[in-house]
Amino acid sequence: GAVVSQHPSWVICKSGTSVKIECRSLDFQATTMFWYRQFPKQSLMLMATSNEGSKATYEQGVEKDKFLINHASLTLSTLTVTSAHPEDSSFYICSATLAGGTDTQYFGPGTRLTVL
Amino acid sequence: QQQVKQSPQSLIVQKGGISIINCAYENTAFDYFPWYQQFPGKGPALLIAIRPDVSEKKEGRFTISFNKSAKQFSLHIMDSQPGDSATYFCAASGVHYDMRFGAGTRLTVKP
Repeated sequence: GAVVSQHPSWVICKSGTSVKIECRSLDFQATTMFWYRQFPKQSLMLMATSNEGSKATYEQGVEKDKFLINHASLTLSTLTVTSAHPEDSSFYICSATLAGGTDTQYFGPGTRLTVL
Repeated sequence: QQQVKQSPQSLIVQKGGISIINCAYENTAFDYFPWYQQFPGKGPALLIAIRPDVSEKKEGRFTISFNKSAKQFSLHIMDSQPGDSATYFCAASGVHYDMRFGAGTRLTVKP
């Protein structure tokens, strides 16, 4: 149980284009979903926290207009990287916590974004 | 602001040995301390977690030791296997505090 999926698993795009990444909780309802960014051989850096039906809360230094987050339902959150640039190339990982559950975060498999 | 410090950065252990990874936290409001295992190109997977009301938790070959007064906790992997080779992250969170991760430890178990 508590499976989180992400789509796509990897994406290559041209500089200036927008990319949407989906995060789904497959067998549970997720009150809260989190988006992380991970550079090679580094730790996970929290980008934003999103609750279903409300605006996401962004970490300091994360541009909300560049990284658009939508949490339309209890099983789906999307991250859109707008006007992507090579420096946005990274491994993006989402996680989710069970509705009414504990602090445990269940992570998706990640999405590798490469911006040319 | 690094709220969770993890060491060592890398660790090499012989098969069958004990792997020990240490973490220290600063915020006394943290009350949930998980360990995650991550293989290259994959998302982190929850390994084991502990709360401050116990000093030790064991699940199979994995044990967390927790020292509340020292604000430290550690992961012990008994009988380490080559398949355990991965990056391990400790983390900490609280009711009003988002989860913060340690820098990670790259474990290599040699056959």
